[in-house]
Amino acid sequence: EAQVTQNPRYLITVTGKKLTVTCSQNMNHEYMSWYRQDPGLGLRQIYYSMNVEVTDKGDVPEGYKVSRKEKRNFPLILESPSPNQTSLYFCASSLASGRARASYNEQFFGPGTRLTVL
Amino acid sequence: AQSVTQLDSHVSVSEGTPVLLRCNYSSSYSPSLFWYVQHPNKGLQLLLKYTSAATLVKGINGFEAEFKKSETSFHLTKPSAHMSDAAEYFCVVTHSNYQLIWGAGTKLIIKP
Repeated sequence: EAQVTQNPRYLITVTGKKLTVTCSQNMNHEYMSWYRQDPGLGLRQIYYSMNVEVTDKGDVPEGYKVSRKEKRNFPLILESPSPNQTSLYFCASSLASGRARASYNEQFFGPGTRLTVL
Repeated sequence: AQSVTQLDSHVSVSEGTPVLLRCNYSSSYSPSLFWYVQHPNKGLQLLLKYTSAATLVKGINGFEAEFKKSETSFHLTKPSAHMSDAAEYFCVVTHSNYQLIWGAGTKLIIKP
């Protein structure tokens, strides 16, 4: 089954304790992206990756890191989480090869990770 | 610069009546536009997509949207609401080859 998986689904942590949220897709998509969703703000992009070893900042990258060492995986790292990073996080992937521009294609989303930082 | 405004944060309709969710966009070029749906405690799913092939776009579950360039609008409609349509709906516009801009969302409430 074609899917994007995220782990963990729920996480409660404390300020300053490093954490990683994993994201994996099995559709061989070049493009992957991380969003955070906050009430009344829609989705805001944190980082995206056009392909292996190619990443770029989105609209709200402060406090986050990413890496793309393999095509299927795109982990989100919070080196020193703070309470303002309490949010619902989504990973997404889409095709982006040849003439297929990533943002013009359907984004496939993971189930979300609800993070609470105390 | 690209932007998207969803004009209503909440819309409440009775089951069996029409649905209208409004979206206005701003773009310096011909964008692609999308509607995504998020059911409670679920991920996001593509409802429909406009990419300049036709101004009236049909999506899943009986939804459709009309691209009106003169009004810079991309409103989502459905002739008859069903209880299962209760969800949050997002209007989305392309910002670049790799980025999208999301509206704040409209919660659709269906009254029995």
